[in-house]
Amino acid sequence: EAEVAQSPRYKITEKSQAVAFWCDPISGHATLYWYRQILGQGPELLVQFQDESVVDDSQLPKDRFSAERLKGVDSTLKIQPAELGDSAMYLCASSFSGDTGELFFGEGSRLTVL
Amino acid sequence: GENVEQHPSTLSVQEGDSAVIKCTYSDSASNYFPWYKQELGKGPQLIIDIRSNVGEKKDQRIAVTLNKTAKHFSLHITETQPEDSAVYFCAASRRGSQGNLIFGKGTKLSVKP
Repeated sequence: EAEVAQSPRYKITEKSQAVAFWCDPISGHATLYWYRQILGQGPELLVQFQDESVVDDSQLPKDRFSAERLKGVDSTLKIQPAELGDSAMYLCASSFSGDTGELFFGEGSRLTVL
Repeated sequence: GENVEQHPSTLSVQEGDSAVIKCTYSDSASNYFPWYKQELGKGPQLIIDIRSNVGEKKDQRIAVTLNKTAKHFSLHITETQPEDSAVYFCAASRRGSQGNLIFGKGTKLSVKP
């Protein structure tokens, strides 16, 4: 069964350092999402891509977060510099279409900022 | 913007009993309501969804009901099994931006054998 791949699964870093997360969506899925899930809460959308274009990044803290999907396939989410409040699970999801259809989530990247 | 409230935050049932989780939403333009199951250390997995043109949907032991007038929807799990133990999230989104899901805070379901 096709899956959304994410790496690393776990990342521990000190505040002010840079971190990056990688996501490879299910083949053929044009829409890719990055969500952030703080412990004990539901996921919140950070950014949505349709192919290589950003559709929605209204919730992305652009002073320290950046995301790209250069070739419209895999994607990278970067945080620089990391802050204590960034500790969370970063989930990538993909769907065949952004208007309809199921979102398939990866297993996430757990970030701890010390 | 949309706000989704979910209750209860924790639910403990005996194996074989039914479990009900309820959610309310605020945005009348929302028209897609999925439910996700998240097991420890894993990403959320869609278990059932419903659109605003339908009042009820069932898939084996799982059913979802939607009341558009009252802006609430519920998840019903019958004949619960220990493997149903997980955190369940409801979510809502608008037409044309189905991937921009607004999630509730989750319900931790424990099914005791």
